Amino acid sequence: GAVVSQHPSWVICKSGTSVKIECRSLDFQATTMFWYRQFPKQSLMLMATSNEGSKATYEQGVEKDKFLINHASLTLSTLTVTSAHPEDSSFYICSAQNSGKNTGELFFGEGSRLTVL
Amino acid sequence: GEDVEQSLFLSVREGDSSVINCTYTDSSSTYLYWYKQEPGAGLQLLTYIFSNMDMKQDQRLTVLLNKKDKHLSLRIADTQTGDSAIYFCAENGEDSSYKLIFGSGTRLLVRP
Repeated sequence: GAVVSQHPSWVICKSGTSVKIECRSLDFQATTMFWYRQFPKQSLMLMATSNEGSKATYEQGVEKDKFLINHASLTLSTLTVTSAHPEDSSFYICSAQNSGKNTGELFFGEGSRLTVL
Repeated sequence: GEDVEQSLFLSVREGDSSVINCTYTDSSSTYLYWYKQEPGAGLQLLTYIFSNMDMKQDQRLTVLLNKKDKHLSLRIADTQTGDSAIYFCAENGEDSSYKLIFGSGTRLLVRP
């Protein structure tokens, strides 16, 4: 089946540093990927839509200079949290749509837990 | 704007049926989804239903859609302790088939 892998699954960093999270579709191509953020005991909040070869589309209230998204290939999107602060600590989840199929199905990564000290 | 609502918590006894309910506001949704999230993990797609369907059954899972009332439910038959998790319903956003709007999640606890 379709697999989406995120790396790292867990990262701890100091305040002020930048952290990059990768989202890979392992056995399919994805022209579109999505990045979500989830706070403890809360739902997923869509941050941005990542489009291969073009700029990401950010949701209202999400700072694009803070959360840099790059989708350079059909199997990889990266989210970089720049100058991270404790309030950026969260669970970040990506999802990918299989470009070759039109089933309405999204495949989710395992999530990346970011803790900023 | 789009909004999806769920009850926060459901507790059932092992072997009973569980019914998780969801209401949504966007009548243009093409697909409606149910996802399962276990602690510390990503989301697993359980099932989805196309908006022109009323019901979909997949083994122990039954999805009912009342488009008039914008109400979606997930029934889990013969609930097992391994079904304990958070269940999210989601609809696709009005401007994209794949941009999902999630409910707040229903935490299902299955008691032995």
